[in-house]
Amino acid sequence: DIVMTQSPDSLAVSLGERATIHCKSSQSVLYSSNNKYYLAWYQQKPGQPPRLLIYWASTRESGVPDRFSGSGSGTDFTLTISSLQAEDVAVYHCQQYYSTPTFGQGTRLEIK
Amino acid sequence: QLQLRESGPGLVKPSDTLSLTCTVSGGSISGTTYYWGWIRQPPGSGLEWIGSINFNGNTYHNPSLKSRLSITVDTSKNQFSLNLISVTAADTALYYCARHSATAMAPLDYWGQGTLITVS
Repeated sequence: DIVMTQSPDSLAVSLGERATIHCKSSQSVLYSSNNKYYLAWYQQKPGQPPRLLIYWASTRESGVPDRFSGSGSGTDFTLTISSLQAEDVAVYHCQQYYSTPTFGQGTRLEIK
Repeated sequence: QLQLRESGPGLVKPSDTLSLTCTVSGGSISGTTYYWGWIRQPPGSGLEWIGSINFNGNTYHNPSLKSRLSITVDTSKNQFSLNLISVTAADTALYYCARHSATAMAPLDYWGQGTLITVS
């Protein structure tokens, strides 16, 4: 299985500031035939199911605010929230779907 | 708007079989390329993909659960189901059903609210 490791485990950021969450895969999730990274990010608020934010490492799902962006290459990926809003408090999960789907352990984002 | 809803027993005894059903509304399971999956989240832990199925009954299972797992689809009821045999306390979790946005190698774009299963 591909192991996904997120850092940090928890993060506190002031309102309006940038939040950055990292995700590292134990092996490449780049599918050479289409040159796409099989990497997604989800947001999970308390008492709610996960919500898909980003797929193909950098494509925003419909309806997701543009303050959320994904980037990365190789085995290192990043989710960035450019200006933290109160409603962004949540746990964020990365997931690879290149092979048997696996998730990171989650990163808890709070307001400082 | 596509909606998914899990239904299950809530409490299962150790060594028994866990059976869950996901009912899909606002869209049809049949005749599409989508895969439909089960994911679980133990209390205070991360997410674990269990397995997925399409309308034809083609399945993918998490290798760590494969020997205990069965996933089936009933297109007439627009439902898919999970059976997990010989459960233990380690199977206690919030169980979600979800849709892959395309094939099984695709992210999960619609999720149910989840149902808590306790093995005790």
